[in-house]
Amino acid sequence: DTEVTQTPKHLVMGMTNKKSLKCEQHMGHRAMYWYKQKAKKPPELMFVYSYEKLSINESVPSRFSPECPNSSLLNLHLHALQPEDSALYLCASSQAGIRNTGELFFGEGSRLTVL
Amino acid sequence: AQSVTQLDSHVSVSEGTPVLLRCNYSSSYSPSLFWYVQHPNKGLQLLLKYTSAATLVKGINGFEAEFKKSETSFHLTKPSAHMSDAAEYFCVVWKAAGNKLTFGGGTRVLVKP
Repeated sequence: DTEVTQTPKHLVMGMTNKKSLKCEQHMGHRAMYWYKQKAKKPPELMFVYSYEKLSINESVPSRFSPECPNSSLLNLHLHALQPEDSALYLCASSQAGIRNTGELFFGEGSRLTVL
Repeated sequence: AQSVTQLDSHVSVSEGTPVLLRCNYSSSYSPSLFWYVQHPNKGLQLLLKYTSAATLVKGINGFEAEFKKSETSFHLTKPSAHMSDAAEYFCVVWKAAGNKLTFGGGTRVLVKP
């Protein structure tokens, strides 16, 4: 199984809502990532988890809250978002530590629209 | 610091003709370089990777790339374009310290019948 599964594929939310994006992989990877991608732009790194611990936070606003409940799951909790947060949110996974060669496996993304 | 520059934001080719996507990198050490492809409304898929072994790297779907240290380039080629190659292509450099991929700006490929 070489898939990274993201749910939901599409999400529309108001600025006062609380929602979550979910990501799952069963490749035994111990590094997981959240990226944000605006239209016609490359992905931008948001968070990295390594061995279920947050290792990188790219100065992301606190209205985005990541969570890694176990080695297969990664969540992104959303609260009080702004319309400019509308984007494609990509999850990825890879080997961790010295086994990490930079080869990431990406999900198909969750397209978020904030009204 | 390391960076990646994709020299063309758009490339248009006819089906059956060669494709060339140009990428230059800047890195203070021997880099790990990748090409990823993103089809419309999809995630990214790894096409190929260079990790200091052979300088000519073969990938999926007939793509290949050549690492040229003297030119700091990692251009992607395919001898004969197919309609299914229409997508966005990203050249990427990997920094092991920090688990960070640095993306180029992307090249959108249009394939004309």
